[in-house]
This record gives sequence, structure tokens and C-alpha cells, in this order.
Amino acid sequence: GDSVTQMEGPVTLSEEAFLTINCTYTATGYPSLFWYVQYPGEGLQLLLKATKADDKGSNKGFEATYRKETTSFHLEKGSVQVSDSAVYFCALSDGYGNKLVFGAGTILRVKS
Amino acid sequence: DGGITQSPKYLFRKEGQNVTLSCEQNLNHDAMYWYRQDPGQGLRLIYYSQIVNDFQKGDIAEGYSVSREKKESFPLTVTSAQKNPTAFYLCASTLGGARGYTEAFFGQGTRLTVV
Repeated sequence: GDSVTQMEGPVTLSEEAFLTINCTYTATGYPSLFWYVQYPGEGLQLLLKATKADDKGSNKGFEATYRKETTSFHLEKGSVQVSDSAVYFCALSDGYGNKLVFGAGTILRVKS
Repeated sequence: DGGITQSPKYLFRKEGQNVTLSCEQNLNHDAMYWYRQDPGQGLRLIYYSQIVNDFQKGDIAEGYSVSREKKESFPLTVTSAQKNPTAFYLCASTLGGARGYTEAFFGQGTRLTVV
């Protein structure tokens, strides 16, 4: 079945450092890919998405490019802030079952 | 404002009890979902519903039940058959239907603890 693998955390960075969180996927079709963010004690919010190969999703300084050849969707940000501290989830949807498959999540901690 | 409301925020269950978690949305979404979140395991799908009066089991449906009598509501019952119910439960919705998958909107979650 479809699956998503994320780099293990926690990832600890100093403010203004560069962020990369790796995400790779396995899917039989042509999935849509998503990054969601979860702040402590809250639900998930969509951060960005890409629906086809080579699409780049971006929001709030975060970016991710849909790479079909490497089945990857790595999340990047050029300069993190303390307020970016959260759990980040990579997810895919095959578009058929209307279901999301999530990675295990990566905790990001940013220190001032 | 449109959104998804889960209640209660915290819930305590005694051994052998059934408890029901509420999920209501006013987004006019067709599809609704229940996920369970455990530390280090991401989100796992319990049940989902793409239309009123219809629902399907997800990956971990055992010990849970749902109903979808109204478009706006998708309550989840954690039965006594669920042996390890302590977790954070998240409800979500999408436009669904013929539009296929679109952005999921999540509620704030319910933290269930067995006492």
C-alpha cells in the first residue's frame, strides 16, 4: 500500500538556520503531496501542497518540490524562527479513496 | 467562521465504558474522517465517510464505531472492545465527492485518557 517516510526527529536548530525535513513516498498511482503542521495541543493545518510532478508548493517561507524521479517531497525553509517550532507531517493522497496517508511526523525545535 | 469543532477537548474513560467523541463541521464538506494520533506513529485512519449514511473502515477500526446521519456530524464511539484507547483523536473533513481529494481541515482534537 501507499506509505510515507519522514526523517526522524527531533530536529533542533538555532534561529535563522536553514531547515530541511526529508520526506519520501511510495505510491502506485500519481498522488498529491502535502505538508501539514501541528502546534502543541492543536489539530493539523495545511502548510503547502503539490498535485503533480515538478510542482513547487510554498507558504510562509516554506517550500517543497514534488520530485517523481526520486519519489520525494522535502520541506525547506531558508531561515527558521522560534515560532516555527512544531510537528511537521508529510502526507499523500491517491485521489481515489479520498484518504490521506501520513508520515510519522518530525518534531522541529528552534532555539533563540 | 467555518470550521470543524471537536468536543470535548479532554475526556476520561473508565475501564469497560463506551465514550463518544463529537465532531461537527459547517464547511458543507461531503467527506469526514477520524484519525488516531500516538507519539511517534503519525496519524492512523480509524473510519471515514464520503457521504451521509455511508462510512468505511480505515486501518485501525477495531474497537470503534461511527455514524453519519447528518452531513455536518460524524461522531466516534470508543467502545470497551478498544483495549488501548488512550490517544489524541483528530477529526477532519474534505470537499470530497466527485471533486476527489482536496485540502483537509482538522478539528482541535480530543485527548482521551483511560483512568
